[in-house]
Amino acid sequence: AQTVTQSQPEMSVQEAETVTLSCTYDTSESDYYLFWYKQPPSRQMILVIRQEAYKQQNATENRFSVNFQKAAKSFSLKISDSQLGDAAMYFCAYRSNSGAGSYQLTFGKGTKLSVIP
Amino acid sequence: KAGVTQTPRYLIKTRGQQVTLSCSPISGHRSVSWYQQTPGQGLQFLFEYFSETQRNKGNFPGRFSGRQFSNSRSEMNVSTLELGDSALYLCASSLSGAVYIEAFFGQGTRLTVV
Repeated sequence: AQTVTQSQPEMSVQEAETVTLSCTYDTSESDYYLFWYKQPPSRQMILVIRQEAYKQQNATENRFSVNFQKAAKSFSLKISDSQLGDAAMYFCAYRSNSGAGSYQLTFGKGTKLSVIP
Repeated sequence: KAGVTQTPRYLIKTRGQQVTLSCSPISGHRSVSWYQQTPGQGLQFLFEYFSETQRNKGNFPGRFSGRQFSNSRSEMNVSTLELGDSALYLCASSLSGAVYIEAFFGQGTRLTVV
């Protein structure tokens, strides 16, 4: 079974600064996807960024980028120029690309990010 | 395009009762997954339905069940509620197939068991 670990329960960052959230995972599979989801107080999970394991290039989405280290099974999220609206719970998630298309996400326990004005 | 809709948003039930939660996926999405979110256990996968068939199931007791209708809407049922079933229940929908890797979540149903 796959596991996802987020070792930072809480983090804070000054507005306009950069912060990195950590995520490690354990799997014996070679083909999978990794995601970072954001959950604001409204409770709706919003996809921030995704990474296909077969791609060596790190994914970027505007101010959000990842550092994907497949051998180390590490998948960290970097938020640049932090904004007040970035304050939320952030979840790292894993999805296997096997299982006949079955869609199941395995989540870490989350990191609560606070942004200080 | 309408997002994933979950109803009701909030629910209070008494221990021993049963409850049914509803999820309407994004139009065209045939895969619907359910997750339980609690402070202690985090987000845990309950089950996934595709074309009215349960395709995958998490490690939950048989009191948790679900179904999917021909229009892809899904319901989740919990019988004989326990205090520990208090949680946020999230539904996610996605297009089927390996190339469709993003799941879209609803705002959840907050269930409180008293």
